[in-house]
Amino acid sequence: AQSVTQPDIHITVSEGASLELRCNYSYGATPYLFWYVQSPGQGLQLLLKYFSGDTLVQGIKGFEAEFKRSQSSFNLRKPSVHWSDAAEYFCAVGTSGSRLTFGEGTQLTVNP
Amino acid sequence: DGGITQSPKYLFRKEGQNVTLSCEQNLNHDAMYWYRQDPGQGLRLIYYSQIVNDFQKGDIAEGYSVSREKKESFPLTVTSAQKNPTAFYLCASSLIVGTYNSPLHFGNGTRLTVT
Repeated sequence: AQSVTQPDIHITVSEGASLELRCNYSYGATPYLFWYVQSPGQGLQLLLKYFSGDTLVQGIKGFEAEFKRSQSSFNLRKPSVHWSDAAEYFCAVGTSGSRLTFGEGTQLTVNP
Repeated sequence: DGGITQSPKYLFRKEGQNVTLSCEQNLNHDAMYWYRQDPGQGLRLIYYSQIVNDFQKGDIAEGYSVSREKKESFPLTVTSAQKNPTAFYLCASSLIVGTYNSPLHFGNGTRLTVT
């Protein structure tokens, strides 16, 4: 069965600093990989997705993620964090014909 | 604009009462989903439906029921059998289940409090 792990429950960064959120997945083949963001009391919004091709994918709000098959990882990055990026971030994995499995989320706090 | 509407945003009920959460979408999506979100536990799938008049149990279906009589609507009933119903409930939809080009679209959630 597919699974996804987000090792960091909570991360704090200063505004303007770089950000990397970790995501590791477990699946035999290459799955579909997604990052979603959730603001407090809201639903989830898709940031970016990956299935094949260029392993560095660009998303909305200046985010990017890199797929590394050898490490079974799909880490989310942003060069310079803004206060409005404070939210909870979810990595998700899916395969053809199956539903998504979500990680437990990483809460991001941005200090001024 | 197309989207998913969940209502109400906040819902309060007494223990022992059934309660129904509404979810409507105008995205013309075939698949719809209900997730439960608790702090530190991510999203857990309750039920999903791939087509009208058909639905499947997710990982935590006990104490919940759903119907899919119309493509646009996928209401969730939290029954009195659900032991810990207080949670944030998210409805989502996608074109179909399980393709790269069919990511989930989410509503803004309903926070249910049962006392």
